[in-house]
Amino acid sequence: DQQVKQNSPSLSVQEGRISILNCDYTNSMFDYFLWYKKYPAEGPTFLISISSIKDKNEDGRFTVFLNKSAKHLSLHIVPSQPGDSAVYFCAASTGANSKLTFGKGITLSVRP
Amino acid sequence: GAVVSQHPSWVICKSGTSVKIECRSLDFQATTMFWYRQFPKQSLMLMATSNEGSKATYEQGVEKDKFLINHASLTLSTLTVTSAHPEDSSFYICSARDMQGDYEQYFGPGTRLTVT
Repeated sequence: DQQVKQNSPSLSVQEGRISILNCDYTNSMFDYFLWYKKYPAEGPTFLISISSIKDKNEDGRFTVFLNKSAKHLSLHIVPSQPGDSAVYFCAASTGANSKLTFGKGITLSVRP
Repeated sequence: GAVVSQHPSWVICKSGTSVKIECRSLDFQATTMFWYRQFPKQSLMLMATSNEGSKATYEQGVEKDKFLINHASLTLSTLTVTSAHPEDSSFYICSARDMQGDYEQYFGPGTRLTVT
């Protein structure tokens, strides 16, 4: 049973445009959500997070939106840059000191 | 920022031997560290949660006698793959949670294990 789903395996966008990466979850107990970026043969790098008490969190070019009623969150990257090309993982947690549940990831390619 | 290191970054071993992987938090203390395994084009699968000074908590389906975890200090956790077999070949990644921080986990660079 996959509790965090990233249904699109890949996304390709033009440099300078917006990248929108989607994530859905099924466990209503999740109260904290995170996005990680990962290059091949490297560990994931934390990007941005959002608590369930918020619906938006912004950090520079990265914005995460949370729709609790739809159990859906999205990561917006604008403007997209070629260096953003990587695999992006959505993760969720229930409560403090809890383990993270990851989605399968989405491969983003930003074309120059 | 928070830095987590892993050693070795890659290792090749013969079937039947044991391999130890170290995970260190370099600039923060971590009461909790996590060990993940990633197969090609798959998600990160949590293997176990390592708590400083106590026994690790293993996820369902993970053999605790095969994957020995020791968390002896607030900055070091080790994963030992005992009697390794080719099917244990994978990318092993650790993460650590800053005991002074929130929910974020900081990941190490990973260890590529190849068992021949």
